[in-house]
Order: sequence, then structure tokens, then C-alpha cells
Amino acid sequence: QVQLQESGPGLVKPSETLSLTCAVSGYSISYAYYWGWIRQPPGKGLEWIGSMYHSGSTYNNPSLKSRVTISVDTSKNQLSLNLTSVTAADTAVYYCARGGYSGYAGELDYWGQGTLVTVSS
Amino acid sequence: DIQMTQSPSSLSASVGDRVTITCQASQDINNYLNWYQQKPGKAPKLLIYDASKLETGVPSRFSGSGSGTDFTFTISSLQPEDIATYYCQQYDILNSLTFGGGTKVEIK
Repeated sequence: QVQLQESGPGLVKPSETLSLTCAVSGYSISYAYYWGWIRQPPGKGLEWIGSMYHSGSTYNNPSLKSRVTISVDTSKNQLSLNLTSVTAADTAVYYCARGGYSGYAGELDYWGQGTLVTVSS
Repeated sequence: DIQMTQSPSSLSASVGDRVTITCQASQDINNYLNWYQQKPGKAPKLLIYDASKLETGVPSRFSGSGSGTDFTFTISSLQPEDIATYYCQQYDILNSLTFGGGTKVEIK
């Protein structure tokens, strides 16, 4: 059974960098699939942040592109997200999820439970 | 960027009713359209992928249709456990994903 678990600081100061990790169990992220990050501001809808293919190619939301870095630590089977220069607008529940098997980023079939990150001084 | 317009934003229906949600893409997305259910405090759950394919384990009262720019999600007989917010999501050949604004489904 594939499981994903996000972790990281729950509070980040404005202008600093938000850093989260997603521990994946039940599947090797270096083997196949896209792996991505999605966020949801309190009371609002879902926003795709970016995805990484198992080969290392990354794809980011154009609205966030210059602030987002997605990487993988294959030795730990973990996905990471760095979001720089955060503001209150980046306050959200952050999810990691598994995407398509091949071709395109596709459907998100396994999700973590999400972690709330608040940006505040 | 491809925009997804989902409607209605909310609806109220009785148990047993047929519920329909629509999603319109700003350009042709073939059948690259998925539907999710999200209950309060929980992660979204994939229900339908590639516009009309039912994810394993999802009840058959859920269905999807459409291609190109216009898509429909249907609950054939609304059940109390279906109370949730539903989202459409497209993906494109540039590996960009976009979600619709969501539809909150309530029991009348």
C-alpha cells in the first residue's frame, strides 16, 4: 500500500523559505510515476504547485515558478518542497501526491494527509 | 495556461437525487480530466480519471463523461456519505495541472 506523509514547520516567518518533506512508503519514487505538491488555503480550493517525474524532470505552476524547488532524496525515498520569499498568501495546507505513471502528470491517486503551514511573524 | 470553470459552486439536493456538476476547459484538453471528492479535514480522493474511468473501489453511482472542453460529473443517486466538495482537474501535454473551483454538495 502506497503511503505519503508530509512533515515540516507549521509556522514560517514572512520572507523566509518554506521547506517540507514527503516521506513515501510502499513504492520507490525513483522507479516510476510523477510526484507532486498541491496546496489549499484555508476555506479555499486546490492549487497545484509542481510535479517531478521519477527521472528528475520538474514542472512547476507558472504563477509560482521562480519561488519553487522540488527535489527528491532517493536514499530516503522522500520528496521535498522549498518555497522562497513566503507571504501570508502562502498560508495553506500542503499536500504531496502521486501522479501519472508515464507520459503526463495525470491523475493524483495517492495523497498525504496534508500539513498546515502558517506564514506569520 | 488552461483555465477550468466548474459549476455550480454549491448545490443542495435530496437523498436519492441525481446530481450533476460541469467543468469547462478554456481550450481542448482531450480527455485529460479527473474528478476528486474532498471531505472536511481530509485529503482529496480520486473518483474518476481520464474523464470517464472509475477509480478502483469507487461506487458505481459516480460517473463522468465528456471530451474536448466540456465535462460532466454525475452522482446517480445521492447518498448521505456523498456530502463533500468535488473538484475537477485537468492535465496537459506540458505537464501542467489545473483544478476547478470546486462544488460543495449538501443534503436538502
